[in-house]
Amino acid sequence: SYELTQAPSVSVSPGQTATITCSGDELGDKYASWYQQKPGQSPLLVIYEDRMRPSGIPDRFSGSNSGNTATLTISGTQAMDEADYYCQAWDSNTGVFGGGTRLTVL
Amino acid sequence: EVQLLESGGGLVQPGGSLRLSCRASGFIFKNYAMTWVRQAPGTGLEWVSAISGGGDDTYYADSGKGRFTISRDNSKNTVHLQMNSLRGEDTAVYYCAKDNGAVGATGGAFDIWGQGTMVTVSS
Repeated sequence: SYELTQAPSVSVSPGQTATITCSGDELGDKYASWYQQKPGQSPLLVIYEDRMRPSGIPDRFSGSNSGNTATLTISGTQAMDEADYYCQAWDSNTGVFGGGTRLTVL
Repeated sequence: EVQLLESGGGLVQPGGSLRLSCRASGFIFKNYAMTWVRQAPGTGLEWVSAISGGGDDTYYADSGKGRFTISRDNSKNTVHLQMNSLRGEDTAVYYCAKDNGAVGATGGAFDIWGQGTMVTVSS
């Protein structure tokens, strides 16, 4: 079955750029989405179709996808961005999530 | 306001059954595929099942094939997940989510999520 791999954790200083990656076989041929989840909350879509931002998502969130890697970039990271981030794609009509990356802002 | 409201979770014994429901409001329900996603305590998100807008196409993760059945009633703006032969590893918060893909089709991103309903499988 298809797998998406994420690093368990990433740390970033406030105001710096956070980069979260997601790898999967030929992931660049699929659309990648990214979700933010804070403790006790439901996930929130922050990027879809590789680089599109839903209404209300700050433009400091951006995405890219090429080859085997999709990337979520948070520019000017703020304390409020501390959360778990999950990538997601579809393979053969099956949804697949990455294992998640905990972003710590310190 | 676009909203999803899940219900039906609870405590069930191993081998038992449970039917989850998700009522939608604020959008044209029949035009969108719907998905169930679960999250076991302290772990990540796991995609469970999806259904097309018309209900003709259904898809399942291997973990639920043969045990779970997704369905929808577009007249009531509701999607269901029937879960049979439940196991301890099915213990999780179950979320329903709206798919933002092409009209009625699965394969998009999940742009609206419910608050989740907890399912606990234990004797």
